[in-house]
Amino acid sequence: NAGVTQTPKFQVLKTGQSMTLQCAQDMNHNSMYWYRQDPGMGLRLIYYSASEGTTDKGEVPNGYNVSRLNKREFSLRLESAAPSQTSVYFCAGRGIAGNEQFFGPGTRLTVL
Amino acid sequence: AQSVTQLGSHVSVSEGALVLLRCNYSSSVPPYLFWYVQYPNQGLQLLLKYTSAATLVKGINGFEAEFKKSETSFHLTKPSAHMSDAAEYFCAVRDGGAGNNRKLIWGLGTSLAVNP
Repeated sequence: NAGVTQTPKFQVLKTGQSMTLQCAQDMNHNSMYWYRQDPGMGLRLIYYSASEGTTDKGEVPNGYNVSRLNKREFSLRLESAAPSQTSVYFCAGRGIAGNEQFFGPGTRLTVL
Repeated sequence: AQSVTQLGSHVSVSEGALVLLRCNYSSSVPPYLFWYVQYPNQGLQLLLKYTSAATLVKGINGFEAEFKKSETSFHLTKPSAHMSDAAEYFCAVRDGGAGNNRKLIWGLGTSLAVNP
């Protein structure tokens, strides 16, 4: 099993450009999450999907959109990137009965 | 509402010394608590979890944590630090959401440095 995978690993954008971060899991997780990690600010939840077909805002959703394409895939889209969105983005999944989350390796995004 | 406080954003120990990383929580429901480790340029990995069974929880890499309800604490310890323990450590508590809507509430992390 690959677990939780994310693509790309690194990305550099110019202000105003758009891009989609991809996340896929083969652990049969019902719930999936997108976080951003910034120095000194820990992990902040952007959006989550409690189950296939549903998505909800987390604490920092502005400037982002998500799609739960199917049970395996949960993508994060930046429609018009801003320098404030420079961060490391993590996707995570959680199984039906468990409480812990399983993380992907992250995408390091720089917006110039 | 649930919250997590990690005392000390940076902790430095000598190799072979005791590691103690502090975590205090607030929870309106019986807490489920977690410690995660993040090595440089990697994702987060579960170290251990407390889910209302034994109060002393053993995890990977020789780490353990003790749940103390009276102190609302879940401190992480390791008797003897190794250079490979240098990493960022996060404490988290499950929120009050039901079923698939459960989320984790995260502390800000503690960076552990191990000196030779």
